[in-house]
This record gives sequence, structure tokens and C-alpha cells, in this order.
Amino acid sequence: DAGITQSPRHKVTETGTPVTLRCHQTENHRYMYWYRQDPGHGLRLIHYSYGVKDTDKGEVSDGYSVSRSKTEDFLLTLESATSSQTSVYFCAISDLLAFYEQYFGPGTRLTVT
Amino acid sequence: GQQLNQSPQSMFIQEGEDVSMNCTSSSIFNTWLWYKQDPGEGPVLLIALYKAGELTSNGRLTAQFGITRKDSFLNISASIPSDVGIYFCAGPSNRDDKIIFGKGTRLHILP
Repeated sequence: DAGITQSPRHKVTETGTPVTLRCHQTENHRYMYWYRQDPGHGLRLIHYSYGVKDTDKGEVSDGYSVSRSKTEDFLLTLESATSSQTSVYFCAISDLLAFYEQYFGPGTRLTVT
Repeated sequence: GQQLNQSPQSMFIQEGEDVSMNCTSSSIFNTWLWYKQDPGEGPVLLIALYKAGELTSNGRLTAQFGITRKDSFLNISASIPSDVGIYFCAGPSNRDDKIIFGKGTRLHILP
């Protein structure tokens, strides 16, 4: 299994509070991604990174920001959580030689009350 | 935009049966990926296909890249209880290379 961890694995927070989710990899892969998974919508890309300090928006980026200061860490921040951001969040990684083959972390279940 | 349609959405089979599922699109894909997701876990990459007509196996799983490049198939032979889960197909968008995922086929195995 690819060495990807996510923290926390579960979180309950209140509307309006900031939340940061962490993805850590030990594979030294260049590309990292944040997805959310919701019933009826499948996996949707929030943001991605193609290197340290290089990030870009995905399909559903509104309300989210990301940062990548080290190869191994990719942070997803909800500046002011809303109930519509209740979801399961997955981090994924891929490398240049097999760019399309993404390997996923275990996920973080976030509930915004 | 591009979409991947998976069928069936859900299937119920007996242990030991073979399983077939497919993924179709109205547009061409140059790569097809198949993932499996167990409850409470992240998707796990099963098979990657890069060439039209390619047939690739991974244990009891076999996937095929359709000749038209608009479809892909996944077969599971002699199903066992641990095959239960959701199977996703995926492929890169021809617009921006981002991976598009199908909505999944949920496999149930009857005792």
C-alpha cells in the first residue's frame, strides 16, 4: 500500500469554524490531490498540487484552500465550515511516471453541525 | 463535460459466481482505471489500462480496454465475500487531464 495517512480520520465541527485536514505521504510523489466523496456525486476534485508551493483549483474549490510547503504534506483548509461541506475527504497521490495512477489515503469523515 | 456511466449500479450475486460490470462514455478515453472501495476506506487501484483492446489481469480480476476507446469492462471470476464493495472506473479528462470517476457499481454477495 502507498504510504498515505490522513488526519484526523473523523471530525465534528460547528458551522463557521475553520478546519484543517492533513495529508502526509512517504512516497515522495510529486502530485497530490484532495477529493470529496458524497452520495450521488461520487469523487470530486477540490484542489491539487503539482509540486511544493504549486497548487491549483479543481471542480469544487469554493470554500476551500490548500497549502503545500513540503513534498510530503498537503493541507486542506475550510476557512469557515458550512453544513454543505459535510463529506468524506480523500487525499490521493501520483507520480510523474504513472501520472494517472492515483493512490488514495484512508479518508477523513467531516461532519459540520 | 465528459462523464463515465457505470452499469449496473448495484448487483447481488451468490458466492462463487462470476461478475461482469462495465463503464461507458460518449467520448474517447486514452486510459482506463479500475478502483475498488471497501466500506470506510479509500479507493484502491486494481488495474490500469493504456491501450485499446488491452486485456489485463490481477488475480481473479480481468479488465479490458474497449476497442472503441469509449468503454471498459471488469470481470471478477469465482467471487468471494471479500469482493464486496464499490467498483469505480476512472479516466483522464481530455480537456485538462484530471481524473474523472464513474459513480460506481456496488457489489453485494449473498450468503
